[in-house]
Amino acid sequence: DVKVTQSSRYLVKRTGEKVFLECVQDMDHENMFWYRQDPGLGLRLIYFSYDVKMKEKGDIPEGYSVSREKKERFSLILESASTNQTSMYLCASSKVVIGELFFGEGSRLTVL
Amino acid sequence: KQEVTQIPAALSVPEGENLVLNCSFTDSAIYNLQWFRQDPGKGLTSLLLIQSSQREQTSGRLNASLDKSSGRSTLYIAASQPGDSATYLCAVYNTNAGKSTFGDGTTLTVKP
Repeated sequence: DVKVTQSSRYLVKRTGEKVFLECVQDMDHENMFWYRQDPGLGLRLIYFSYDVKMKEKGDIPEGYSVSREKKERFSLILESASTNQTSMYLCASSKVVIGELFFGEGSRLTVL
Repeated sequence: KQEVTQIPAALSVPEGENLVLNCSFTDSAIYNLQWFRQDPGKGLTSLLLIQSSQREQTSGRLNASLDKSSGRSTLYIAASQPGDSATYLCAVYNTNAGKSTFGDGTTLTVKP
């Protein structure tokens, strides 16, 4: 089975802090994605990567950056956390861009 | 721009009932459609993936159908159980947009 692991299930941070959300997949997938999920707004794509060191902006990249130094790991970075970034963050991967998406358990971030 | 709608937003049924969840999309130029299950506070679990050339997919008590021309997919759950209680989301991958668009989900409650 595909395993997508998000290292932190729950985080509480202060406004202005730098936040790292880590995601690791164990199935040699080429593509990795970061979404956020908010009530009433659904899932929105923040960034995705189709190869090591490659990244593409999604629908809401403002205030975020990403890093993909190794194929299995995709990190989401909040350079200066703000309260409107309080959300559930979901990482996903797929073998091919048009392939089946597999999600991690999610990281619930609260910014105070 | 693709829009994905899932109606109803919530559904409550007695245990043992067969039920159908609906997913509608506005742009029929899709490559695939995927159904997910999400338990409260958790990530998304992939249930079924239907390629655009397929009409349906089955897994156990689940059957998903796809009618691209009418922009509709249905997820049929047979002999529902309390353990089926969750939010069910559909996502369509558009070839021209190069990404998946998610519906807001239908929250299913199966009463014992």
